[in-house]
Amino acid sequence: KQEVTQIPAALSVPEGENLVLNCSFTDSAIYNLQWFRQDPGKGLTSLLLIQSSQREQTSGRLNASLDKSSGRSTLYIAASQPGDSATYLCACFNSGGSNYKLTFGKGTLLTVNP
Amino acid sequence: EAQVTQNPRYLITVTGKKLTVTCSQNMNHEYMSWYRQDPGLGLRQIYYSMNVEVTDKGDVPEGYKVSRKEKRNFPLILESPSPNQTSLYFCASFAGGYNEQFFGPGTRLTVL
Repeated sequence: KQEVTQIPAALSVPEGENLVLNCSFTDSAIYNLQWFRQDPGKGLTSLLLIQSSQREQTSGRLNASLDKSSGRSTLYIAASQPGDSATYLCACFNSGGSNYKLTFGKGTLLTVNP
Repeated sequence: EAQVTQNPRYLITVTGKKLTVTCSQNMNHEYMSWYRQDPGLGLRQIYYSMNVEVTDKGDVPEGYKVSRKEKRNFPLILESPSPNQTSLYFCASFAGGYNEQFFGPGTRLTVL
């Protein structure tokens, strides 16, 4: 059974700082890994999708890496801004028979202070 | 615009009163699923569907039903809601394989 852990659970940084969010997973037989952003009480915004054969993906100030062998992914946010404040969720996509299932971590709550 | 829609977005109801949360996608995706999100527990899969008339249980199916009569729609049915089903519900769809999953905006359900 896949288990996804995100560390730290919460992070507070000053504006402009570069930061790294960590995600670890127990089952390396993943199809892909997806990073989401969630604002309080809101829906999920997909940030980056890394296929199992890829090592990293970039979108603007965001860079996500994937190391299947060690069961780790990181989300790097450059030059953080107050608007980046949100919960960031990591989700691994496995196939268990006919069930294509996303297993989510519990998230990292990021606060970027002006 | 490719999207997953859910209705209603917010619902307050009472114990035992049957309700349906609708989910619809316009991307012709075969695969759809429902998740619930609870503080401290994260997102957990309730039910999923591989195609029309093909559905199966996820991790937390108790107290829920689903149906998939059309490819675009995947409603979540609570026959007799209870307070422990108070949660934030998300519908998702994807094309299969290595593609990304698309999520609806969420339905916040409160059962009194």
